[in-house]
Amino acid sequence: AQTVTQSQPEMSVQEAETVTLSCTYDTSESDYYLFWYKQPPSRQMILVIRQEAYKQQNATENRFSVNFQKAAKSFSLKISDSQLGDAAMYFCAYRQGNTGKLIFGQGTTLQVKP
Amino acid sequence: DAGVIQSPRHEVTEMGQEVTLRCKPISGHDYLFWYRQTMMRGLELLIYFNNNVPIDDSGMPEDRFSAKMPNASFSTLKIQPSEPRDSAVYFCASSPDRGAQHFGDGTRLSIL
Repeated sequence: AQTVTQSQPEMSVQEAETVTLSCTYDTSESDYYLFWYKQPPSRQMILVIRQEAYKQQNATENRFSVNFQKAAKSFSLKISDSQLGDAAMYFCAYRQGNTGKLIFGQGTTLQVKP
Repeated sequence: DAGVIQSPRHEVTEMGQEVTLRCKPISGHDYLFWYRQTMMRGLELLIYFNNNVPIDDSGMPEDRFSAKMPNASFSTLKIQPSEPRDSAVYFCASSPDRGAQHFGDGTRLSIL
């Protein structure tokens, strides 16, 4: 069975600095997708970024980028120029290519210090 | 475009009562998912549908929980009878085939 592990329950970063959140996963599949979701205190689940496993190029969305290491089964999220509004719980998620099911990690709470 | 719409936003009810949560997915999305989120267990997938057909309900806790999707634009999650341990935030999400899931704002359920 696929599993997703976020080993950092909590992280903190100074405003305007860069922070990296870690995620590893375990799968025997070759066709899959990876996502990062953000959940602020308002409890909304907001899609931050997605990565298709067949793409070698790392996905980027403005200040958010990923470091996708397929062989190592690692999918970290880098947030550049951190802002106060980035403070939230961040979830890494895995989706098999042939099903719709998402498997979530335990989440990392990010604190941004002014 | 309207996102995934859930109702009610909050529900407080007494133990033993029937609870019905509602979800309207994004038009054109083939998949619909129901999740439950608690501090202790995190995000749990309860059930998901593909083209209105239940595909995997292995996450449904017990027979007190049931979910239906009578058409492509509506789904319900029902708990009968409700118990205090069912208190949680329940999310509905939808996605196109092979796309990212888009979540509703969730229903905060409190069973007294």
